[in-house]
Amino acid sequence: AQSVAQPEDQVNVAEGNPLTVKCTYSVSGNPYLFWYVQYPNRGLQFLLKYITGDNLVKGSYGFEAEFNKSQTSFHLKKPSALVSDSALYFCAVREEGRSTLGRLYFGRGTQLTVWP
Amino acid sequence: NAGVTQTPKFQVLKTGQSMTLQCAQDMNHEYMSWYRQDPGMGLRLIHYSVGAGITDQGEVPNGYNVSRSTTEDFPLRLLSAAPSQTSVYFCASSQGRNQPQHFGDGTRLSIL
Repeated sequence: AQSVAQPEDQVNVAEGNPLTVKCTYSVSGNPYLFWYVQYPNRGLQFLLKYITGDNLVKGSYGFEAEFNKSQTSFHLKKPSALVSDSALYFCAVREEGRSTLGRLYFGRGTQLTVWP
Repeated sequence: NAGVTQTPKFQVLKTGQSMTLQCAQDMNHEYMSWYRQDPGMGLRLIHYSVGAGITDQGEVPNGYNVSRSTTEDFPLRLLSAAPSQTSVYFCASSQGRNQPQHFGDGTRLSIL
C-alpha cells in the first residue's frame, strides 16, 4: 500500500536558520513525490516534485528537497528561513505505473513556524 | 486566468439537506479531483476524473456523487448531508497524472 508519513506535526525555527520538514514514504514501485504548501484559508500550492533524475530537486521560493531511495525519504529544506515561510506543508506520493489515475497520497501535514 | 474556482466559499446545511459544490477550471486540464481536509488528517480523495465522462471513486466516496459532462466543470453533490461531512472541500486539476495539481481556495461546509 502507498503511504506518506510526516513525523513532525510542528517545526519551529528562527528566521535566518536552515529548516527541514521531514517526509518518508512507502510504495511498491518507483515513487513520484511532491511537496505542497498551504497558507491560511487558501488551497494548496505546488512547491516541487521528484519524478526521476537528480536526487536534489529545487523548487519555488528557495525550497529544495532531497530524494533518498535507501531511506525512502523526501525531506524539504531551505537554507535560510523567512517569517513568510510559516505555513502548513504537505508531502504527497504517487506510485509509478499504478492504475489509480489521479490518486495522490498526502501526509497529514507539518505546521512550520518561523519566528523573528 | 482564474485557475480553479470553487463556489460557494462557505455553506451551512442542516442534516438531510442536499447541495452541490461547484468547481470550474479554465486551464483545459483533463484531471480533476475532489478532496476533503479535516484537522490532523491531511487531504483525502473523494472522487476524481480523468476526462469528460470518466469518473472514479477515491478513498472516501460514500455520501458524495460526481459527474463530468465538460472538461471545465466537476461538481460534487452531497445527497443527504450528515454532520460527519463537516469539512473543508478542495477541488484540484492537473494537466496530467504526474503534473502538479492546481487547487481552488476551498469550500468550508458545516452540517448542523
